[in-house]
Amino acid sequence: TQLLEQSPQFLSIQEGENLTVYCNSSSVFSSLQWYRQEPGEGPVLLVTVVTGGEVKKLKRLTFQFGDARKDSSLHITAAQPGDTGLYLCAGRSSNDYKLSFGAGTTVTVRA
Amino acid sequence: SAVISQKPSRDICQRGTSLTIQCQVDSQVTMMFWYRQQPGQSLTLIATANQGSEATYESGFVIDKFPISRPNLTFSTLTVSNMSPEDSSIYLCSVGGGTGPTVDYGYTFGSGTRLTVV
Repeated sequence: TQLLEQSPQFLSIQEGENLTVYCNSSSVFSSLQWYRQEPGEGPVLLVTVVTGGEVKKLKRLTFQFGDARKDSSLHITAAQPGDTGLYLCAGRSSNDYKLSFGAGTTVTVRA
Repeated sequence: SAVISQKPSRDICQRGTSLTIQCQVDSQVTMMFWYRQQPGQSLTLIATANQGSEATYESGFVIDKFPISRPNLTFSTLTVSNMSPEDSSIYLCSVGGGTGPTVDYGYTFGSGTRLTVV
């Protein structure tokens, strides 16, 4: 499985600030998925991006897939305490059902 | 998307014993996946469970330690055998992975089993 580097590992910001999480690899992925996980729960799918250069918006969350399909970013505008959680990126190669997960970014939004 | 019921949600076990974790899905699925996760960290795939065949294990995981059953298309169990404190972790089951030419439906995860071995 390919390596996905996720950064930063930890992020603590004040409510109302913006944040960006990055996911990078030297490998090409057929799709890139973003999950959010809260304590005591399993990861919940936020979005999948499939096309190089694709940008998807989910309310205050913006997801981008790099043109070469090797990297992705998650941007949160005007973060709220409810955005607190562990954010995980996961990539899938074509013809492979397995996911490669990044190390995760723990986001804390202080009220 | 599928709904997964995973149990137990947590357990504290004595070393040397075994624990069986169950996952029930509300729809029929071809593949089910078992992961291990240290709190606040990434997920590591243990094995893929297909109905009617033996599970496929990832490097570093063996059937004797993590036997898996998949008796039908909606249910699977993972047993953590002969436990030691190093097995303390969160164990998660997952289903999904459907794709199309321009779509990837992603995966659904159970809520996890937090295992502590003492």
